[in-house]
Amino acid sequence: GQNIDQPTEMTATEGAIVQINCTYQTSGFNGLFWYQQHAGEAPTFLSYNVLDGLEEKGRFSSFLSRSKGYSYLLLKELQMKDSASYLCAVMDSNYQLIWGAGTKLIIKP
Amino acid sequence: DVKVTQSSRYLVKRTGEKVFLECVQDMDHENMFWYRQDPGLGLRLIYFSYDVKMKEKGDIPEGYSVSREKKERFSLILESASTNQTSMYLCASSPRQISGANVLTFGAGSRLTVL
Repeated sequence: GQNIDQPTEMTATEGAIVQINCTYQTSGFNGLFWYQQHAGEAPTFLSYNVLDGLEEKGRFSSFLSRSKGYSYLLLKELQMKDSASYLCAVMDSNYQLIWGAGTKLIIKP
Repeated sequence: DVKVTQSSRYLVKRTGEKVFLECVQDMDHENMFWYRQDPGLGLRLIYFSYDVKMKEKGDIPEGYSVSREKKERFSLILESASTNQTSMYLCASSPRQISGANVLTFGAGSRLTVL
């Protein structure tokens, strides 16, 4: 079967760095997405990786290793507004999105 | 600036009632999706549509139906609501070919409680 694994919850301190991991086992691979979802709100797109390596977007970076079935989202200079759930999704060989359960990130002052 | 609008944010229905969840997008997207989101589970696809009057079953279509009579509107129908359909329902849309440049845009969700 297809599977996406993420930690359920993580806690970090304002101003620090946090890395949220995502491992996947899917039938084929056509890209990996990270979304941010604040409580009670719509998920919003953060990043997309289809080739191995690091994609940087301001305070957020996303890394992909296709051979290891692994990605991480790196958040730097954490702010209180970064408290949210972070969803990892993989597009499989049929171009269907498989979603992880999400990681709830709690930022403490 | 809202691009995907779900008509109801919160609904409370009784078991056996027929429920309509409406979703409208203003981005001229070909694809539209209905997901449900439950604690501890990833987003699960109920139905999707690639074009007007076209629909495809997702992973958990049982107990649901959909309608897409116009490109911008995608409706989810619960013919006879049951308590196990209590959930958050998310609508999304995207251009035909999903990629890093053409991503899913989600609505804010409809939280349905079935008593």
